[in-house]
Amino acid sequence: QKEVEQNSGPLSVPEGAIASLNCTYSDRVSQSFFWYRQYSGKSPELIMSIYSNGDKEDGRFTAQLNKASQYVSLLIRDSQPSDSATYLCAASGGYNKLIFGAGTRLAVHP
Amino acid sequence: EAGVTQFPSHSVIEKGQTVTLRCDPISGHDNLYWYRRVMGKEIKFLLHFVKESKQDESGMPNNRFLAERTGGTYSTLKVQPAELEDSGVYFCASSQDLENSPLHFGNGTRLTVT
Repeated sequence: QKEVEQNSGPLSVPEGAIASLNCTYSDRVSQSFFWYRQYSGKSPELIMSIYSNGDKEDGRFTAQLNKASQYVSLLIRDSQPSDSATYLCAASGGYNKLIFGAGTRLAVHP
Repeated sequence: EAGVTQFPSHSVIEKGQTVTLRCDPISGHDNLYWYRRVMGKEIKFLLHFVKESKQDESGMPNNRFLAERTGGTYSTLKVQPAELEDSGVYFCASSQDLENSPLHFGNGTRLTVT
């Protein structure tokens, strides 16, 4: 089993809908998790971090962590075409050594 | 504030040649990381500098890869001799602190070995 797993997509949602991105992780990673957004040819950009069980909201983004199920998700409300990108789930291996999933491509269509 | 900059943005070399990638971290960031994404795979950690010292180089694939950070400012990653499987995108990142500090990535260097 990979340490961090994501469905590669593409996930296609209509504009204005909620996009739900999911990630599972193994016992081998620590308990700090991050969501990065990456536009084609650009650098990964941190959009959310989550360290404890439950939900964390920031604007249109909500990160959810369920340690019992080893599951992290990112919800994007009121999706916009500009949200179309690859979303990378990452876990910390300590000292900012990140363990990435393969990324999920999100396509928001008008 | 300037972000993390990487040079070159693209490099195409032949198998057996040498390539040197450069990374300039955000000014004042002691922590500098190299990551790599090969085609169809996840972004993977290569190594971590704290100032000029290698904190963790557990992700370096083999001894054809040499990373340096003289003076604790910019870093270089040299691949010598390059092999076909070295093709991919090499990302550099920097952070101010060791833990729970945002990791800022550069745009990457796309390396193609033919």
